[in-house]
Amino acid sequence: GNSVTQMEGPVTLSEEAFLTINCTYTATGYPSLFWYVQYPGEGLQLLLKATKADDKGSNKGFEATYRKETTSFHLEKGSVQVSDSAVYFCALSENDSWGKFQFGAGTQVVVTP
Amino acid sequence: ETGVTQSPTHLIKTRGQQVTLRCSSQSGHNTVSWYQQALGQGPQFIFQYYREEENGRGNFPPRFSGLQFPNYSSELNVNALELDDSALYLCASSPSGGARNTGELFFGEGSRLTVL
Repeated sequence: GNSVTQMEGPVTLSEEAFLTINCTYTATGYPSLFWYVQYPGEGLQLLLKATKADDKGSNKGFEATYRKETTSFHLEKGSVQVSDSAVYFCALSENDSWGKFQFGAGTQVVVTP
Repeated sequence: ETGVTQSPTHLIKTRGQQVTLRCSSQSGHNTVSWYQQALGQGPQFIFQYYREEENGRGNFPPRFSGLQFPNYSSELNVNALELDDSALYLCASSPSGGARNTGELFFGEGSRLTVL
């Protein structure tokens, strides 16, 4: 079946540091890939997405590229801020899955001033 | 634009009881999905409702059931509660259903259920 594996946290960084969160997936078809973020006290919200191989999703300075050859969708940001402290979830959705999303376990990111 | 709202936000039940959680979808969204998020884990898909019918289900037993109403709001019912049912239950709505899903889910803040 489908699965998503992402690096364990917490990841602790200083402000302006480079952030990478690794995500790899297993899927039988051609999924769409997503990064969701959960800020403290808030619900999950979409950060970025990519719907086919080699697509790059980007938002709020974050980027991730859909790599079919390595089945990966790593999240990166060049210079993090304290406000980026949150839990980040990698997820996939098969295009015929009728709305079923497979989420990774989440990676907590803590950015210190 | 009103977002996804869930109620109650917190509740405590004892083993063997039944619980009903409620969700109002975002305006204009006709599809509702429910997820279970155990502590420290990612959300696990329970089921999805579209046009008042279940049209996808994850690996959850039949004691997890749901409804969708004509106004697209939804309920999640769990019977014969077990200790392992303690979790955050998330409702998510989306503007399309039944088609290729490359779209976004819009989540509520969840209902935290504790089973004692």
